[in-house]
Amino acid sequence: GAVVSQHPSWVICKSGTSVKIECRSLDFQATTMFWYRQFPKQSLMLMATSNEGSKATYEQGVEKDKFLINHASLTLSTLTVTSAHPEDSSFYICSARANPVANYGYTFGSGTRLTVV
Amino acid sequence: AQSVTQLGSHVSVSEGALVLLRCNYSSSVPPYLFWYVQYPNQGLQLLLKYTSAATLVKGINGFEAEFKKSETSFHLTKPSAHMSDAAEYFCAVSGPNQGGKLIFGQGTELSVKP
Repeated sequence: GAVVSQHPSWVICKSGTSVKIECRSLDFQATTMFWYRQFPKQSLMLMATSNEGSKATYEQGVEKDKFLINHASLTLSTLTVTSAHPEDSSFYICSARANPVANYGYTFGSGTRLTVV
Repeated sequence: AQSVTQLGSHVSVSEGALVLLRCNYSSSVPPYLFWYVQYPNQGLQLLLKYTSAATLVKGINGFEAEFKKSETSFHLTKPSAHMSDAAEYFCAVSGPNQGGKLIFGQGTELSVKP
């Protein structure tokens, strides 16, 4: 089955530093990858959609300069939280999709718990 | 725009009892519908999906869901709850008008009492 690997699982960083989260599709080529943010006891909030080789499309209210997304290959997308602050602390989850959706659906990574101190 | 609404943020059942988690969708075109389960501090695992084939969809771990167009519903059921079913459940929708995005409902926390 389709597997998405997300690293790191958790990270603690100091305020003002940057953190990079990786999302890899291990056994399929992901035409599109998505990044979500999840607050405790809440649903997933879509942050951005990225297609291989093109710029990410950010959802309204998401700062593109704060959350840098790179999708350089069909198997790797990265999210960099720049100049992190305590309010950026959250659970970040990536998802990868292969076409056609009817056959492959969406596969999720295991998530990254970011704590900014 | 497409959306999903999950009725009940928290559902509690006894072990062995029927599980029913409700999901209603809003879509002007035939949607794809999904149910995911999330355990604490983990990603999402696909339980089942509806992609315009059979209206009764069987998934993993004994779960199933029925697509009812007349009711715009896609409720998730399991005949007999197990303690290991305690988790957060999300209904989600995608379709051609969403640019391939997967839109989630608010989630329902399922508790299973011994």
